[in-house]
Amino acid sequence: DIQMTQSPSSLSVSVGDRVSITCRASQDITNYLIWYQQKPGKAPRVLIYDASTLETGVPSRFSGSGSGTDFTFTISSLRPEDIATYYCQQYDDLPLTFGGGTKVEI
Amino acid sequence: VQLVQSGAEVQKPGGSVKVSCEASGNSFSAFYMHWVRQAPGQGLTWMGWIDPNSGDTNYAQNFRDRITLTTDTSINTAYMELRWLRSDDTAVYYCARLGIPSAILWGQGTLVTVSS
Repeated sequence: DIQMTQSPSSLSVSVGDRVSITCRASQDITNYLIWYQQKPGKAPRVLIYDASTLETGVPSRFSGSGSGTDFTFTISSLRPEDIATYYCQQYDDLPLTFGGGTKVEI
Repeated sequence: VQLVQSGAEVQKPGGSVKVSCEASGNSFSAFYMHWVRQAPGQGLTWMGWIDPNSGDTNYAQNFRDRITLTTDTSINTAYMELRWLRSDDTAVYYCARLGIPSAILWGQGTLVTVSS
């Protein structure tokens, strides 16, 4: 199975901060990576797929980069509504696997 | 298009649960249906997928002995049955179309509580 190691596990931030989260795959997954946002009691929401493609309707302050084994998710200027937990997920191979999540708190 | 799941369940240890997931629209058979679970305060765990056209399935190793995925294409509904429930099966269970990254869709989730 492909292990996805996400860091940090939590992040304390201020409105307007630049936020970066990393995700490392245990083997090369080319660009088969998704970034999700999840708020309490809600299903995950796709923000980025193919490592760097912004999902339709997602604000441009969100971005993703990387390929192979190392990936980065960035919020350029945090807004209050961005407080959530963020997950990466690889879809290069089964079983699909997720990072452990990053909880972004004020 | 949306995926609407059945309501919360409480089951006893050793029992089983069957969660349903109804897809609106007319594209039910065009997408594999995946199931993912999330224990309270924990991360996401993929459980398996089913091809509604063929009935072919692929299960995660950790669930292979206890899970059955089925579909009823006449009513655009997928089902996830988990047997021999334990307390650590308490989780929110999601159905989701995960096969095409640009067309991902998740159900709202179903809380299954396993408690005596």
